[in-house]
Amino acid sequence: GAGVSQSPSNKVTEKGKDVELRCDPISGHTALYWYRQSLGQGLEFLIYFQGNSAPDKSGLPSDRFSAERTGGSVSTLTIQRTQQEDSAVYLCASSLVLIGTEYGYTFGSGTRLTVV
Amino acid sequence: AQSVTQLDSQVPVFEEAPVELRCNYSSSVSVYLFWYVQYPNQGLQLLLKYLSGSTLVKGINGFEAEFNKSQTSFHLRKPSVHISDTAEYFCAVSDKEGAQKLVFGQGTRLTINP
Repeated sequence: GAGVSQSPSNKVTEKGKDVELRCDPISGHTALYWYRQSLGQGLEFLIYFQGNSAPDKSGLPSDRFSAERTGGSVSTLTIQRTQQEDSAVYLCASSLVLIGTEYGYTFGSGTRLTVV
Repeated sequence: AQSVTQLDSQVPVFEEAPVELRCNYSSSVSVYLFWYVQYPNQGLQLLLKYLSGSTLVKGINGFEAEFNKSQTSFHLRKPSVHISDTAEYFCAVSDKEGAQKLVFGQGTRLTINP
């Protein structure tokens, strides 16, 4: 597609439930990133995929968070046993080349997650 | 590890006034620097970037930023703002080598008053 697509755009879930957030990167983009934007906070790095390399998971806040990228394209971020502090906007971005940040990222519109 | 500090969380200015949004970074290696803008209820857009060469970088919508290596700063400026510039602005840094991820600052909310 023309841009990075994220679904759903909004998700309300009950505390303790699992959620899956989806990201469709721009076709051909080899790198994919997940960030979290909490109210009044900056963007917090979560995880980064580059081609077939092992992902950089250094930003995942706990073992309740996991992500996968199938076929080098679509990515799913899973949060298990959600907590209220998980409420945030989850942003996905993709980039074209290995040194992706030279070109900046293309961001999706995000998924707003609310845990009640 | 890198870090980015945006010194002002909120900046209110009057329309047609000049504005400067401050950004300082720390890194032990050479870096790329970026400014992103997030308009209300929209995703992030790249405003401008510094990769190498001239330290004065011009971006979209009349914004510019100057890379100052000695002061480790990358402040964003616009000589005359418009109501439509109301948005959240994020400064970000990345190593030139190695890690590919961007590290973002906390953001500065720019509010333009008529």
